[in-house]
Amino acid sequence: EAQLVESGGGLVKPGGSLKLSCAASGFSFSTSGMNWVRQAPGKGLQWVSSISSSSTYIYYADSVKGRFTLSRDNAKRSVHLQMNNLSAEDTAVYYCARATAMVMDAFDIWGQGTVVTVSS
Amino acid sequence: QLVLTQSPSASASLGASVKLTCTLSSGHSSYVIAWHQQQPEKGPRYLMKVNSDGSHIRGDGIPDRFSGSSSGAERYLTISSLRSEDEADYYCQTWGTGIGVFGGGTKLTVL
Repeated sequence: EAQLVESGGGLVKPGGSLKLSCAASGFSFSTSGMNWVRQAPGKGLQWVSSISSSSTYIYYADSVKGRFTLSRDNAKRSVHLQMNNLSAEDTAVYYCARATAMVMDAFDIWGQGTVVTVSS
Repeated sequence: QLVLTQSPSASASLGASVKLTCTLSSGHSSYVIAWHQQQPEKGPRYLMKVNSDGSHIRGDGIPDRFSGSSSGAERYLTISSLRSEDEADYYCQTWGTGIGVFGGGTKLTVL
């Protein structure tokens, strides 16, 4: 069964950093684009960042560009989102999702999410 | 600018059908979109991909009560024989070079 499991969420102070991880199993990870999507409390889904299967292409939403860094380790079947200089606006559930192609495409596998709270 | 527009809410009766709409911004009417369902307090679930010609490919395990179609810049999700568990938020999603986009979501109430 295809599965994505996020970890690394928690409570962090404004200006702080956090690193999220996503462990994949049950599908061809090394040929899949991987993505992060977030959902602020009571709000809709917001695309955050995407990385192509071989890490050649990495894209960010304007709201996180320069603060977040996305990477992947195909040998370990994992992706990581390093989040720096966090603010209250980054408070959200962060979901890892697989794209049905090597870069951007429909997100067909979702994780259960990890909660990030930015508060003093 | 690539934007997806959805009505905030919809409602239909148990056993009936409902058609949700997702509208692509001007100049993007050929784009493929995906539909996702998010039940209360749960993560999103992929439903299907809908092409500009109206063809669609459902995700694994998605019942054929869920179907997709298209007309111009509009993409539709039709749910037939509504059940109580279909009460959820429905999001459309698309993508371009270097960008991912979600619609604002439609909250479906099953009466």
